[in-house]
Amino acid sequence: EDQVTQSPEALRLQEGESSSLNCSYTVSGLRGLFWYRQDPGKGPEFLFTLYSAGEEKEKERLKATLTKKESFLHITAPKPEDSATYLCAVDGNNRLAFGKGNQVVVIP
Amino acid sequence: NAGVTQTPKFQVLKTGQSMTLQCAQDMNHNSMYWYRQDPGMGLRLIYYSASEGTTDKGEVPNGYNVSRLNKREFSLRLESAAPSQTSVYFCASSESRSRSGNTIYFGEGSWLTVV
Repeated sequence: EDQVTQSPEALRLQEGESSSLNCSYTVSGLRGLFWYRQDPGKGPEFLFTLYSAGEEKEKERLKATLTKKESFLHITAPKPEDSATYLCAVDGNNRLAFGKGNQVVVIP
Repeated sequence: NAGVTQTPKFQVLKTGQSMTLQCAQDMNHNSMYWYRQDPGMGLRLIYYSASEGTTDKGEVPNGYNVSRLNKREFSLRLESAAPSQTSVYFCASSESRSRSGNTIYFGEGSWLTVV
C-alpha cells in the first residue's frame, strides 16, 4: 500500500531561521510528487510537482527536492507569511496519496 | 479567474437530512474530484470524474453520490447525512483525463457539520 509520511508534524521557526520539511514515501511506479501549501480555512494551493529523482524546483524562499525515497521542502530565511501547513502528495498505482502535513509557524 | 468554486462554504445538517455540494471550475479542465479532509488524516478521495458523464469511486465513496453535470460542474450529494460525514470537503480539478500524473487544483472548501 502506498504510504506518505511527513515530518516533523509541527515546526516553530524564528523569522530568518532556515529549515527543511521531509516527505517520505513508498510507492511502486512514482508518477509524480506534489507539494501544496494550505492556510487555515482555505484549500490547498499548488506549489511544485517533481517527477524524477534528482529534480529540484524553486519558488521564492521554497525549494523542493526529490530522491527515490523522499522529498524535502527547504524554507530559506522564512518570513511570518510562510506560516502554513505544507502537504505532500504522491502519485502512484493510479492513486494520489496525501500525507498529513507539516504545520509551520514562523515567529517574527 | 475564479478557478474552482464551491458552494456552500458552511452547512449544518441534522442526521438523516440530504444535501448537495456544488462545484464549478472555469479552467476548462477535464477531470474533477471530490475530497474530504479530517483532522489527523490526509486528504481522501471520495469520487473522481475524468469527463462529462463518467464517474469513479475513490477511497471513501460510501454514503455519497456524484453527478458530472457538464464539463464545468461536479456535484456531491449526501442522501442521508451521518455524523461521520462531518468534515471539510474540497472539490478539485485537473487538465488531464488520466487519473495520475496530474497537477490538481483545489477549491476553497465546504465545512459540513452533521448533528
